[in-house]
Parts: sequence; structure tokens; C-alpha cells
Amino acid sequence: DGGITQSPKYLFRKEGQNVTLSCEQNLNHDAMYWYRQDPGQGLRLIYYSQIVNDFQKGDIAEGYSVSREKKESFPLTVTSAQKNPTAFYLCASRVTNTGELFFGEGSRLTVL
Amino acid sequence: QKEVEQNSGPLSVPEGAIASLNCTYSDRGSQSFFWYRQYSGKSPELIMFIYSNGDKEDGRFTAQLNKASQYVSLLIRDSQPSDSATYLCAVIKAGNMLTFGGGTRLMVKP
Repeated sequence: DGGITQSPKYLFRKEGQNVTLSCEQNLNHDAMYWYRQDPGQGLRLIYYSQIVNDFQKGDIAEGYSVSREKKESFPLTVTSAQKNPTAFYLCASRVTNTGELFFGEGSRLTVL
Repeated sequence: QKEVEQNSGPLSVPEGAIASLNCTYSDRGSQSFFWYRQYSGKSPELIMFIYSNGDKEDGRFTAQLNKASQYVSLLIRDSQPSDSATYLCAVIKAGNMLTFGGGTRLMVKP
């Protein structure tokens, strides 16, 4: 079935460690996005990529990094520079014609 | 002023009633408008989208768009407890960027 797969679903990290969240899609979408969601809050854009080998910072990119070497894959690294990384992270890809986003199931990161 | 604004709620309605969720946006060049539903701890899922002024109906859901007033709403008829969730409004503004509102939490009481 077509969709977006995020892994891991739950992740615990010690302070000072980098972690990488995986996002893979088989929908053949060009554009992919990473959002962060804190409890009771809306979605905030971290990074997005419109095409392979290109990506742009969103509203809260500090402390995060991404790569887009393949159309299907858009991993997000949460670095030790991110001061408050505990959050729910959502990856999405976008339908070109309609603009709607399809979301993965999310990755919940907790810093101990 | 936030680009996309929603009342955070909670909006509480009795089962069987009509729930009315509202969203305003600041960019007059906005083209497309989306409503997503998000259950607690889950990812958002698309309910419907609307591009043109007026109403668009899909089952128990009706989206209403008024570009002159920069206002989009979602009506849920015959609300069920399973409709209890957070509803996110999203807007594609000029420049093709998609922006989300903060969401409205809906509670449908049996």
C-alpha cells in the first residue's frame, strides 16, 4: 500500500546526543515536510524539500538538519544544539495537484 | 496577527448537534484551504479541502469558504462522540506555502 513510514515510533535520548528520525514515502511525491508538535499546540514547520537534493528551512530549523538524497527519503536529525527536543515529530509528503499533505504516523522523541 | 487563526477551544457540543469550527487567515492571496482531524497521539488526516467561495459538502461535513471575509469554516452535522478530536485548518498562501492554524479541540458529549 502507498504511504509514509516513519521510524522509530518512540525514541528516548540522553541530553547531548544526536538522533535521526527516518521518513520514507512510496507515493512518488516530490515535496516532503517535517513538522514538530508540542502538547496542545499546532504544527510548526522545521524543514521542507520540494525536490531531490534541495531543502529549505522552516520556521524552527535551529538545532535540526535534513538531507534529501532520494525522492523517497527525507530523514531528520535532531542535534544536541536543539535545546528542547522532546516533542511529536511528523513527516508529510504533498500531492502536487491538490496541495494536500499525507502524514506519517509520527515519531515521539523524549529526552531524558 | 497569526497567519491562520483558530479558537483553541474546547468546543463542547451534545451528540447529534451541529458543530461549527471556524478559521480566519491573513493572506488575501491564499488559494486552497484544508481541514484535518487529529485524534490525540495520532497524526492528522484530511477531512476535506475547498478552493472556491461557497459550500462544499461531503457526508456529514460541510466546508464553507468566504474569501472576501478571509474566513473558512467546517460544519459537522449529527455530531458523534467519535468526532471528538482536534481540527486543524491549513491554508496554501501565495508562494505555495502551506500554513496550519493552532487547531480547535472538539468534544462531543453523549
